[in-house]
Amino acid sequence: AQKITQTQPGMFVQEKEAVTLDCTYDTSDPSYGLFWYKQPSSGEMIFLIYQGSYDQQNATEGRYSLNFQKARKSANLVISASQLGDSAMYFCAMREGGGSARQLTFGSGTQLTVLP
Amino acid sequence: NAGVMQNPRHLVRRRGQEARLRCSPVKGHSHVYWYRQLPEEGLKFMVYLQKENIIDESGMPKERFSAEFPKEGPSILRIQQVVRGDSAAYFCASSPGQPVTEAFFGQGTRLTVV
Repeated sequence: AQKITQTQPGMFVQEKEAVTLDCTYDTSDPSYGLFWYKQPSSGEMIFLIYQGSYDQQNATEGRYSLNFQKARKSANLVISASQLGDSAMYFCAMREGGGSARQLTFGSGTQLTVLP
Repeated sequence: NAGVMQNPRHLVRRRGQEARLRCSPVKGHSHVYWYRQLPEEGLKFMVYLQKENIIDESGMPKERFSAEFPKEGPSILRIQQVVRGDSAAYFCASSPGQPVTEAFFGQGTRLTVV
């Protein structure tokens, strides 16, 4: 079974609108972390936001927020007031385990295009 | 992601040659991770190292690939006798400790095998 599922290969959004990128995960570990990364066409991986499984509140970083629904095992990224520079590939990733956590497992990504 | 330095950014090798990829983590970070990204795919974990130790190499191909993180100097991912299928982007990430709550990536090395 896929540990991280991103069901939207591509998304379009109008500039200044909000957009939600979906991410569902699968783990039986009670301690885990969820990450979102942005990969623009230049190729680098840019860390956006992190949510821990025990965090009571949804994580927010500027225009990025993570809609964490633990019971549904979803960790959707919400980008408010989209900008042309937000056009990029977005990856959801999960770290399983607590103190012995090792690696991040990535989803297949969502290509976001912001339209002027 | 400021601070993780990878070089070279682009590397071209002929089949059968060796490729050496370097990664200097964020200052103060002692945990380094290597990932590979094939075209149109997400990142796949290869190896996790701490200074002078390989902690988890479960994602590394059994042959031709090796990694090290010496006491002094950058982490090195070495691919011997490269083949066309090794062409990919190789990313290094570093974190300050466990559990990982932030992992910053370098800009990647794009390896092309011709």
